[in-house]
Amino acid sequence: GAVVSQHPSRVICKSGTSVKIECRSLDFQATTMFWYRQFPKQSLMLMATSNEGSKATYEQGVEKDKFLINHASLTLSTLTVTSAHPEDSSFYICSARGGYDNQPQHFGDGTRLSIL
Amino acid sequence: AQTVTQSQPEMSVQEAETVTLSCTYDTSENNYYLFWYKQPPSRQMILVIRQEAYKQQNATENRFSVNFQKAAKSFSLKISDSQLGDTAMYFCALVNTGTASKLTFGTGTRLQVTL
Repeated sequence: GAVVSQHPSRVICKSGTSVKIECRSLDFQATTMFWYRQFPKQSLMLMATSNEGSKATYEQGVEKDKFLINHASLTLSTLTVTSAHPEDSSFYICSARGGYDNQPQHFGDGTRLSIL
Repeated sequence: AQTVTQSQPEMSVQEAETVTLSCTYDTSENNYYLFWYKQPPSRQMILVIRQEAYKQQNATENRFSVNFQKAAKSFSLKISDSQLGDTAMYFCALVNTGTASKLTFGTGTRLQVTL
């Protein structure tokens, strides 16, 4: 149980393109979803936290208009990187958690985004 | 604010041997949870083991066990009978209750299991 699906696994696109990444909880209701960014050989950096039906809470230094997050249902959250540039190239990982504090986050497989 | 420190950037262990990964943390809260996650070369983050701070008994999951020392704020991971498939990056993480479950990660320890 507790499977999180993230799609696509890899994206290569031109500078200026907007890219959407989906995160789905397949067998549980995810009241909270998280979006992380990971640079090579580094730890995960939390970008934002989203709760179903409400606006995402962004971490300091993360541009809201650049990284649009939508959490429209209890099983789906999306991250849209708008007008992507080469510096946005990175590994993006989502995670999802059920309704209780003692439940761990379950992670998707990640998306490698490469902007040319 | 809470912090998680992993002081061993890299470690190596021979197959079938035992290895311990260190983790210390700091938090002002009394109620929190600790986790070890594994990230193999495939980059997927996999939950290895978790510990509730209010439980004195150390968590165990098959070959993986923890040594939780609450007073010392230490949470080490012991891997017994190491296997080649254990080769991965290991992250220690902390979440306080009531903070929207935001995980604070350590910087990770890269474990290489050799023949």
